[in-house]
Order: sequence, then C-alpha cells, then structure tokens
Amino acid sequence: KAGVTQTPRYLIKTRGQQVTLSCSPISGHRSVSWYQQTPGQGLQFLFEYFSETQRNKGNFPGRFSGRQFSNSRSEMNVSTLELGDSALYLCASRLGQANVLTFGAGSRLTVL
Amino acid sequence: AQSVTQLDSQVPVFEEAPVELRCNYSSSVSVYLFWYVQYPNQGLQLLLKYLSGSTLVKGINGFEAEFNKSQTSFHLRKPSVHISDTAEYFCAVSEAAGFQKLVFGTGTRLLVSP
Repeated sequence: KAGVTQTPRYLIKTRGQQVTLSCSPISGHRSVSWYQQTPGQGLQFLFEYFSETQRNKGNFPGRFSGRQFSNSRSEMNVSTLELGDSALYLCASRLGQANVLTFGAGSRLTVL
Repeated sequence: AQSVTQLDSQVPVFEEAPVELRCNYSSSVSVYLFWYVQYPNQGLQLLLKYLSGSTLVKGINGFEAEFNKSQTSFHLRKPSVHISDTAEYFCAVSEAAGFQKLVFGTGTRLLVSP
C-alpha cells in the first residue's frame, strides 16, 4: 500500500513568488492535513481537509491556502513568499476522524 | 487548548542502555496522545498512540509509553537502545473528538553512541 506522497521534495523560490505543493494521500483516506516545520516554531498545524471541505484551520496568514480535490489529493499554496516561509511542509492523511495521521516525507521549501 | 512540554531537548545515551524521553501535556478535555519519530530528511513516523484503554502502550521498535492522567504525562521508554534509534522524537496531543489538530512538543533529539 503506497504511503503519503508529496511533491516536489525540494524547491527554491525567491521572495514575492508563490508556490504550490501537492499531496497524494494513502488510497482510501479522505482527510488530508498540512503542517509546517521550522527550527524556530517547530511543528505547527496549517489546515485539514475532509471530502473537499476545510474542517480545521491553524493560525497562519491568508497567504497560506489549500484545497482538496474529489480524489482526495490536496494542494497548498503560499503566495507572496517571505524568508520566514522557508520550512519543511508536511502532509498527513487519515481515514476519517480516527486521529491517527500518517505523514509524508515532506516538501522542503527554501525562500531566498 | 492543548499544549505539550518536552523538557529535554537532547538526550545522550550509550548503546544498549535504557532511555526515557519525557512528555507532559496540558488540556481541559479528554485527549489522545502520540509519539512520532523523525529521521533526518524524512517525515514523521508514528511510534505509538494512546486513544483509550490500557495506560501502558506498546509501539514499534521496542518502544513503550505510559499514560498517567494524574501527572498529565506520557513518557516514552525503551529498555535497550540501538545506534539506529538516533533521531528526533516528538510527543503530540489532540482533543479526543472530531477533526482535531495535533499539537506537538518541541522535540527531543536522542543521540545514541557506541
């Protein structure tokens, strides 16, 4: 059974640009969550989608957005990138409200 | 709101020695508790979880943890560590209801030396 797949694994952007990260959940999982990991702030929750609806949202500015498609794949977008957006972005999926998340390997974003 | 405290940022230990990684949480409602491990350049892997039932939880790779409600703790233990256990360990908590986010501790780096 394939795990959670995140693309791209590494990317470099410059300030002011935007970026889109993709996440394919485990087959059959309908919930996808996104977390940001930085050395200074640690692991912080961005948002969670279930059946194409945002169910929960963290305390991030509106530059951070996401969506989920009918096949449960999810994308997150960060617009007007800032240096502080450099981070490992982790996606996780779960079957439903079971609260056991399975994480992908992450997308490492570097903003120059 | 929930919070998690991992008091030890780094724990050095010799191979084959026992280890305990400490985790304390704060919450006014019932919670689920988790331990995840992160190896370099990888995502998070679930070690074990407490959802309900027995307070002693056994996980993968020989790890176990005990949920102590009165002390609001969920410490992770392993009786004999290996070099390959060197990694970052995260304790996490979530409300035991609905689509609740995971709140993570700051992590403990376990350094196993020969």
